[in-house]
Amino acid sequence: DAGVIQSPRHEVTEMGQEVTLRCKPISGHNSLFWYRQTMMRGLELLIYFNNNVPIDDSGMPEDRFSAKMPNASFSTLKIQPSEPRDSAVYFCASSDLSLGDYGYTFGSGTRLTVV
Amino acid sequence: KQEVTQIPAALSVPEGENLVLNCSFTDSAIYNLQWFRQDPGKGLTSLLLIQSSQREQTSGRLNASLDKSSGRSTLYIAASQPGDSATYLCAVDSSASKIIFGSGTRLSIRP
Repeated sequence: DAGVIQSPRHEVTEMGQEVTLRCKPISGHNSLFWYRQTMMRGLELLIYFNNNVPIDDSGMPEDRFSAKMPNASFSTLKIQPSEPRDSAVYFCASSDLSLGDYGYTFGSGTRLTVV
Repeated sequence: KQEVTQIPAALSVPEGENLVLNCSFTDSAIYNLQWFRQDPGKGLTSLLLIQSSQREQTSGRLNASLDKSSGRSTLYIAASQPGDSATYLCAVDSSASKIIFGSGTRLSIRP
């Protein structure tokens, strides 16, 4: 398996523009997580899905952020409109909670810069 | 609310030394604890996962222990090498679906 795949690796956009980050989890994993990492706040959980259903989105900063998982092999995190304070590295992770292993596999992240 | 703390925030040791990284958590009702490694500008690589029923896990020169009652975990690295230089993150799963990360220990191994 190629692991968790995120795209793009880097994104530079102007304030006010819409940004869409993409994630392909490991095949067979039933849970998907979006994290944001900044120097000030470390790694923060934004939202997670179980069997394509959003379970907990309490970490989503505000209404400008939205996430979808239309099927088991794809998820998006959208920011509209983007602001400079959204600049961070966004990670996607997947896991198969049904196995009882609960190990998480992370993607390489998307480095977002909003200017 | 689960809180995860890692001490020290940064550590520099000469090559060849054995070292211990510490992680503490406030709520002992956990499902598992996982140690990750993150290289600068890169993603997270899972090193070891300890289930709540386990006391320790080993992988090569790495050994992680878990003491749920005291809310502590340690990551022991034997015979450190310059390639071990990275940030090490501890993550606690206390809800079977949502892991909380510590702020990490930035490790530097001096040749």
